[in-house]
Formats: sequence, C-alpha cells, structure tokens
Amino acid sequence: DAGITQSPRHKVTETGTPVTLRCHQTENHRYMYWYRQDPGHGLRLIHYSYGVKDTDKGEVSDGYSVSRSKTEDFLLTLESATSSQTSVYFCAISDRTSGSFDEQYFGPGTRLTVT
Amino acid sequence: AQSVTQPDIHITVSEGASLELRCNYSYGATPYLFWYVQSPGQGLQLLLKYFSGDTLVQGIKGFEAEFKRSQSSFNLRKPSVHWSDAAEYFCAVGQGAQKLVFGQGTRLTINP
Repeated sequence: DAGITQSPRHKVTETGTPVTLRCHQTENHRYMYWYRQDPGHGLRLIHYSYGVKDTDKGEVSDGYSVSRSKTEDFLLTLESATSSQTSVYFCAISDRTSGSFDEQYFGPGTRLTVT
Repeated sequence: AQSVTQPDIHITVSEGASLELRCNYSYGATPYLFWYVQSPGQGLQLLLKYFSGDTLVQGIKGFEAEFKRSQSSFNLRKPSVHWSDAAEYFCAVGQGAQKLVFGQGTRLTINP
C-alpha cells in the first residue's frame, strides 16, 4: 500500500470554525490532491498540488484553501466551516514516472461533520 | 470539459452471476481511463487502467474492462462475482495535469 496517512480520521466541528486536515505521504510523489466524496456525486477535486508551493484549484474549491510547504505534506483548510462541507475527504498522490498518466493512490479518508 | 457517466447508481446480482458495470465518458482525444473500487469505510483502490493498445484490459481480482471508442464506453466486467466484491465502483477519466474526473459511482450488492 502507498504510504499515505490522513489526520484526523474523524472530526466534528461547529459552523464558522476553521478546520485543517492533513495529508502525509512517504512516497516522495510530486502530485497531491484533495477530493470530497458525497452521495450521488462521486469524488470531486477540491485542490491539487504539482510541487512544493505549487497549487491550483479544482472543481469545488470555494471555501477551501491549501498549502504545501514540504513534499510530504498537503494541508486542506476550511476557513469557516459550513454544514455543506460535511463530507468525507480523501487525499491522493501520484507521480509522472511513465511519461503519460500515472494512477492515483488514495488515503483512508477523513470524515468531517459540521454541526 | 471531460465528464464521466455511470448510469447505474445501484446494482444487485447473485453470487456466482456475471457482472457488467457501465461507464460512458466525454473526451475529445484518446482518454486515459480507470476503474477504482471502494470497500465500505475504505479509500479507493485501482482495479485497472487503459492508456492505449489492446482495448480489453485485465485488472486485479478477476476484473476486466473493454474500451469501445465508437460508444465512448469503458465497461467493467467479471464473469462470476463473489460476496467480497460488494463495494462501490468508480470510473474515472484522466485530465490534464494528472487530474482525474470521476463518475458518480455504482454501488454493487451481492445476494447470497
């Protein structure tokens, strides 16, 4: 299994509070991603990173920010949590070793509930 | 923009029966296509992928998928399902900058 951990695994927070989720990898992969999973929507990309300090927005980036100061860590911050951000959040990593398109490896997920 | 459609939200099959999960994509060029499986409470695991070449690709756990350009489809098949195959299955297409676009998922239930 790819060395990806997410913390915390479960979190309950109140509306309006900031929340930071952490993704940590031991694979030295270049690309890191944050997705959210909601019933009926599959996985939707929030933000991704293609290198240290290099990030870009995904499909559903409003209300989220990210940072990547080290290759191994990718942080997702909900600046002011809302109930619509209740979801399961997955981190993924990939590396462009083959020159085409490499598979993504997924972490175990973080279940976030905003009350 | 690329998109992926999985027409079946939920499928139920009997153990030992054959399985086909449908996936249709929208993409201009030859796509990079993936099938992932998610067991309850777990992350996603890659079953198989198609980049080019032979349109029938073999994956793990006895799964295979066939790329049909004329139908913009990449359906997942298994000749005989096991109770342990109960899970949610996601089809995805690769986009620029190593990004994936996922379908909505198909939940598979196995009857004993």
